[in-house]
Amino acid sequence: NAGVTQTPKFQVLKTGQSMTLQCAQDMNHNSMYWYRQDPGMGLRLIYYSASEGTTDKGEVPNGYNVSRLNKREFSLRLESAAPSQTSVYFCASSGTGTSGQETQYFGPGTRLLVL
Amino acid sequence: GNSVTQMEGPVTLSEEAFLTINCTYTATGYPSLFWYVQYPGEGLQLLLKATKADDKGSNKGFEATYRKETTSFHLEKGSVQVSDSAVYFCALRRGAGSYQLTFGKGTKLSVIP
Repeated sequence: NAGVTQTPKFQVLKTGQSMTLQCAQDMNHNSMYWYRQDPGMGLRLIYYSASEGTTDKGEVPNGYNVSRLNKREFSLRLESAAPSQTSVYFCASSGTGTSGQETQYFGPGTRLLVL
Repeated sequence: GNSVTQMEGPVTLSEEAFLTINCTYTATGYPSLFWYVQYPGEGLQLLLKATKADDKGSNKGFEATYRKETTSFHLEKGSVQVSDSAVYFCALRRGAGSYQLTFGKGTKLSVIP
């Protein structure tokens, strides 16, 4: 049971390049999320998917697209990377545990540097 | 809108000292409250949570009580260890059916031997 996995762990891009960050979870969770973490800013939600086949914008969606490929996988795409997108990106998933409470579980993060 | 305010760090304590990290929130309705911990180079891990007023969340010696009257959820530990050095995030979820977590900016804790 790996939990939430993310690839790659680290990536360097040039301005204007595109890339896709991959995320997968093996906890059979319905909901998945993408956050970015910047120094002094905490985590901010980019997009989320409440269930397979649905996606919604979070707090900072501009410059990103997402795909909920199936129940396990949720990818984040940068079509034309900008230096302002230099950040650490975290994927998370959530489900209702035995307590009936929704809890989010996070992956290890992808560190992205855009030059 | 919803917001979470944490005490600014960094916080440096000696081993076995008492820890308090303050967290206050602004939200409508009855949010659920969380503390997450991030160890160096890792993702966030849920530390504890509370879903209604006066609930106390606890885990690994850490505690926090949901105080609706003061809109607070302060994190405490009686005796910190070097292994507790990490960044701690307070967060809220607006309520049942809401998916979005709102995070505070994080408080970095360093515990020295």
